[in-house]
Amino acid sequence: NAGVTQTPKFRVLKTGQSMTLLCAQDMNHEYMYWYRQDPGMGLRLIHYSVGEGTTAKGEVPDGYNVSRLKKQNFLLGLESAAPSQTSVYFCASTLTAGGSPLHFGNGTRLTVT
Amino acid sequence: AQKVTQAQTEISVVEKEDVTLDCVYETRDTTYYLFWYKQPPSGELVFLIRRNSFDEQNEISGRYSWNFQKSTSSFNFTITASQVVDSAVYFCALSEAKTSYDKVIFGPGTSLSVIP
Repeated sequence: NAGVTQTPKFRVLKTGQSMTLLCAQDMNHEYMYWYRQDPGMGLRLIHYSVGEGTTAKGEVPDGYNVSRLKKQNFLLGLESAAPSQTSVYFCASTLTAGGSPLHFGNGTRLTVT
Repeated sequence: AQKVTQAQTEISVVEKEDVTLDCVYETRDTTYYLFWYKQPPSGELVFLIRRNSFDEQNEISGRYSWNFQKSTSSFNFTITASQVVDSAVYFCALSEAKTSYDKVIFGPGTSLSVIP
């Protein structure tokens, strides 16, 4: 049972490059989330989705785009990476809202030079 | 707007000491959920507990206990007789009914070091 899988695990980008982070879950969860974790800032919500075909902005959406074309996948895109986007990115999913715990992936460590 | 504050950035205790991690939240909603998650040094995030706003009963699970007080908007976490394996970053989180609980907002986390 894979749960929530994030790819890649590590990535180094140069300023201005683009990339897509993939999150896949095999639990048939409706809700999916992208967070970034920075020292002293905790986990900040970038974007989230409440179902296939839907996306919504979180706390820090600027510089990121997302897509949820399939229920099991939630993609996070950086069109033009900046050093400020150096972070650890976590994807999470949950079956429903209303207090269901989040299931997290193992994170993607992204460095932008 | 929903907000979670964890004022203790880092705590260091000696093994077997008790330790309390503070969580203060802000919400204009009367219906909400509060959570605690643990992130050990290996980096994964693990769910510990959930509490809804209508249930103010304190909860105990082994060496862990949680004190929810709506009057002070706090949801504190106590570890009794701490162990080295408790060393981790602990996050408090909040989701509100008015956003259909869709947005789960986390606090900045408290890094706990338990020294043998």
